[in-house]
Amino acid sequence: GAVVSQHPSRVICKSGTSVKIECRSLDFQATTMFWYRQFPKKSLMLMATSNEGSKATYEQGVEKDKFLINHASLTLSTLTVTSAHPEDSSFYICSARDLRSNYGYTFGSGTRLTVV
Amino acid sequence: QKEVEQDPGPLSVPEGAIVSLNCTYSNSAFQYFMWYRQYSRKGPELLMYTYSSGNKEDGRFTAQVDKSSKYISLFIRDSQPSDSATYLCAMSADNAGNMLTFGGGTRLMVKP
Repeated sequence: GAVVSQHPSRVICKSGTSVKIECRSLDFQATTMFWYRQFPKKSLMLMATSNEGSKATYEQGVEKDKFLINHASLTLSTLTVTSAHPEDSSFYICSARDLRSNYGYTFGSGTRLTVV
Repeated sequence: QKEVEQDPGPLSVPEGAIVSLNCTYSNSAFQYFMWYRQYSRKGPELLMYTYSSGNKEDGRFTAQVDKSSKYISLFIRDSQPSDSATYLCAMSADNAGNMLTFGGGTRLMVKP
């Protein structure tokens, strides 16, 4: 089945620094990937839709300049949390869908970001 | 009102019980329905994927969709402690890789 690899799985950074999270589709091409944020014991909240070769589409209330998304190839999307603050600490998850299959969306394993 | 409603639980059952998890939704355009299992601190894992109304069975899992009632269910037979996780329903209006709408998730605990 389709596999989505997300890296790193955990990261701790200092306030004010930037962190990059990678999301790769390993065995399929994904023109569209999705970035979610999940707070403890809460469901997934869509942050943005990443489109290969064009600008990402952000959901209402999500700061574009803070959460930079780049989808430079058909297998890689990156989310950069810029000038991180403790309130950015969260679980970030990406997903993509292999349009060749009848399966639903495949998720990465998530990235636990802690800003200290 | 949320587009997709799901009881957050927690739902606690003894090992071997049949578990019933449900979601209701309001958007009649939804046609594709999914159930995901999420263990703590992990990404969601797809369990079931169904299109339109009907039943689908895969091992101990059965997914049911009733579009007329806007109601979907996931049944787990012979539940195991390893089934303890949060179960998320998700749905979309098309099959083109566009956005999913999630339920809030139900936390399930299966006790030995």
